[in-house]
Amino acid sequence: DTGVSQNPRHKITKRGQNVTFRCDPISEHNRLYWYRQTLGQGPEFLTYFQNEAQLEKSRLLSDRFSAERPKGSFSTLEIQRTEQGDSAMYLCASSLGEGFRPRSGNTIYFGEGSWLTVV
Amino acid sequence: QQPVQSPQAVILREGEDAVINCSSSKALYSVHWYRQKHGEAPVFLMILLKGGEQKGHEKISASFNEKKQQSSLYLTASQLSYSGTYFCGTEMGNNAGGTSYGKLTFGQGTILTVHP
Repeated sequence: DTGVSQNPRHKITKRGQNVTFRCDPISEHNRLYWYRQTLGQGPEFLTYFQNEAQLEKSRLLSDRFSAERPKGSFSTLEIQRTEQGDSAMYLCASSLGEGFRPRSGNTIYFGEGSWLTVV
Repeated sequence: QQPVQSPQAVILREGEDAVINCSSSKALYSVHWYRQKHGEAPVFLMILLKGGEQKGHEKISASFNEKKQQSSLYLTASQLSYSGTYFCGTEMGNNAGGTSYGKLTFGQGTILTVHP
């Protein structure tokens, strides 16, 4: 059973540099999510894709952040001109989505996360 | 909008039971429970949907009171491996009474520590 895969797992970058994270969801899942988590907090929603369409972006996602999901398969999250406040774990998750039975197919599975440290 | 979890922390000895609560001020479509160990990703434990359907691990049970918008996670006969931070993630329904596509809002977490 292949779960949600993310890479790189850890990234240290200098302030002002660009970074890109990749996420490979569970193969049959049509929904893909990005969350951000800082120490001591629960994950915070960033954005969501259904197939290749990005359907919602959180206000947390500034103009420096962009996410894509070409062809509805893997997704990338790019952060441009990184700032120290961007340091966090970036979590990708996927699910089967609505319309499938049972409805509990909406279970959302998280990847291992990509840790970003901006110095 | 963030759900409120209680207690903030629990300390148990192996074999003891615990209940973790999650409360929302908004009408919910579903509640999702996760356990996260330090430095690792959240691991799915249970999903409870409006209308009573649920899915989760055999050794963990939970309830969802739709009228009160509250959910509780019941951990019985705790094991050392149960230690970690437990998060509830809530999903609000849309105006038509359906799902809001799985966008979860997480509580602040409950730290569970199980000692031998």
